[in-house]
Amino acid sequence: AQTVTQSQPEMSVQEAETVTLSCTYDTSENNYYLFWYKQPPSRQMILVIRQEAYKQQNATENRFSVNFQKAAKSFSLKISDSQLGDTAMYFCAFMKDSNYQLIWGAGTKLIIKP
Amino acid sequence: DTGVSQDPRHKITKRGQNVTFRCDPISEHNRLYWYRQTLGQGPEFLTYFQNEAQLEKSRLLSDRFSAERPKGSFSTLEIQRTEQGDSAMYLCASSGDYEQYFGPGTRLTVT
Repeated sequence: AQTVTQSQPEMSVQEAETVTLSCTYDTSENNYYLFWYKQPPSRQMILVIRQEAYKQQNATENRFSVNFQKAAKSFSLKISDSQLGDTAMYFCAFMKDSNYQLIWGAGTKLIIKP
Repeated sequence: DTGVSQDPRHKITKRGQNVTFRCDPISEHNRLYWYRQTLGQGPEFLTYFQNEAQLEKSRLLSDRFSAERPKGSFSTLEIQRTEQGDSAMYLCASSGDYEQYFGPGTRLTVT
């Protein structure tokens, strides 16, 4: 069975700093997808970024980028120039290519301080 | 299109009562998912539909839980004989490919 581990329950950084959130996963699959979702307080889950396992190039979306290390089964999220609106729970999630079920980590609470 | 919607947003019910939640997906999406999220945890998969067919159900989905998507559009999730342990946020998502987009959730409190 697949598992996703987020080892940082909570992180706090100053506005404009760069922060990296960690995620590791365990799978025997070769084809899969990885995602980072953001859940602001009392608001809905928002897709931040995705990575296809067959792509070697790391995904980037504006201030958000990932460091995907397939052999190490690691998928970290870097947020550059952090903003107050980035304060949220961040969840790492895994999906096998053969089904559409998301397997989630426990989340990292990120606080951006002014 | 305004995204995935869920109704109601909040539901308080007494133990033993039945409740039903509705999810309206993004219109062009053929897949619809239900997840349950308890406080401070990541979501847990419950079930998903491709069009009107329910293709997968989690072991978490006990006999008291049933989901339908009768015409391949909106879906309902019913919980019969609610228990206090059912208190959670119930999330619905939809997708056209592998990216899932979530609704705001229905928060259920069982007293």
